[in-house]
Amino acid sequence: DAMVIQNPRYQVTQFGKPVTLSCSQTLNHNVMYWYQQKSSQAPKLLFHYYDKDFNNEADTPDNFQSRRPNTSFCFLDIRSPGLGDAAMYLCATSLVNNEQFFGPGTRLTVL
Amino acid sequence: ILNVEQSPQSLHVQEGDSTNFTCSFPSSNFYALHWYRWETAKSPEALFVMTLNGDEKKKGRISATLNTKEGYSYLYIKGSQPEDSATYLCALKTSYDKVIFGPGTSLSVIP
Repeated sequence: DAMVIQNPRYQVTQFGKPVTLSCSQTLNHNVMYWYQQKSSQAPKLLFHYYDKDFNNEADTPDNFQSRRPNTSFCFLDIRSPGLGDAAMYLCATSLVNNEQFFGPGTRLTVL
Repeated sequence: ILNVEQSPQSLHVQEGDSTNFTCSFPSSNFYALHWYRWETAKSPEALFVMTLNGDEKKKGRISATLNTKEGYSYLYIKGSQPEDSATYLCALKTSYDKVIFGPGTSLSVIP
């Protein structure tokens, strides 16, 4: 089945230790999104790609970076995780202006 | 700052009851409204994409309406079943391509 896959499902890192979360898709969608969701809050868009065009939200901290080496893969790099970065990270894909298809998320714990 | 609100925050209903909840959004810069259903331990799943004022969409026992002039959308569930228990998220897509999620309504259907 075509799908959006996120790895790992659970990630534990230490304060300040870089971490990379990955997202892959078999839907061949041209748009990919990364969201951060903290308990009981709305998912917050960090950035998205239209094909290779990167669109950063104005309030996304510089600590968060992203790479999209090809249509299928997108990575979220957190350069120096702080305690406040502990959250669920959701990847989603879509065709332009269509509904988004979400992966299962990666829950990040920062010790 | 654009804000999407949902009410109520949580809802408990008996099996068989019908229920509805609200998504409120700023009507300026509206492009589309999406509804998603998010079951625990699963990925958010798209329910509806609504673009036109007065839109009504239906999928089984779930339906939604849209009023872009006054900035709200209603989601209705007829004859709630335990498997409807989930968090229901709405997301506003603006004309300048920003995606803003509401905090969700958590629905519990009691058998």
